[in-house]
Amino acid sequence: KAGVTQTPRYLIKTRGQQVTLSCSPISGHRSVSWYQQTPGQGLQFLFEYFSETQRNKGNFPGRFSGRQFSNSRSEMNVSTLELGDSALYLCASSTGQETQYFGPGTRLLVL
Amino acid sequence: QKEVEQDPGPLSVPEGAIVSLNCTYSNSAFQYFMWYRQYSRKGPELLMYTYSSGNKEDGRFTAQVDKSSKYISLFIRDSQPSDSATYLCAMKEGSARQLTFGSGTQLTVLP
Repeated sequence: KAGVTQTPRYLIKTRGQQVTLSCSPISGHRSVSWYQQTPGQGLQFLFEYFSETQRNKGNFPGRFSGRQFSNSRSEMNVSTLELGDSALYLCASSTGQETQYFGPGTRLLVL
Repeated sequence: QKEVEQDPGPLSVPEGAIVSLNCTYSNSAFQYFMWYRQYSRKGPELLMYTYSSGNKEDGRFTAQVDKSSKYISLFIRDSQPSDSATYLCAMKEGSARQLTFGSGTQLTVLP
């Protein structure tokens, strides 16, 4: 089976812009979770989607949003980018049960 | 205080050594425990997954969970230079969707 894929792998944006990241889960997985990884805060949960519905949300501002499509692919959007949004954004897929499998991440740099 | 505490290291060992990595946690509702390995500039890779207390072995890796002490460990036998990476512990409550991660331990295995 192919693993979790994320596009793009690298992005450079400027403050105030918005960005959309994409994630394709493992075939058959209906749950997609998003995490932000920074050197200072580590891995922090953003939100989780299952069958196109957001089931859980972490403690992030409303500038961070997401959605899931009927084929389980998911997108994450960050509006009005701030310097502190520079991070590795990781997508993880699962069947909705215990284990989560991560993609390679999208590295976002905000200038 | 963080829910999951993990010594960030760095930890440096000679090839062939036994490595012990540990995490402590404060949330007694955690029931699922995972260890991920993350190479530089890559996404986390699931190594071990255990439910509740006990031991689990997979090749050179052994995961231990002691829920009474709120302490989990990962042992790596016959460590190899290819084991050099950051090791992240993660855990979740039974019905929760999100993983809570430790800060990661950076391991270097010297040839």
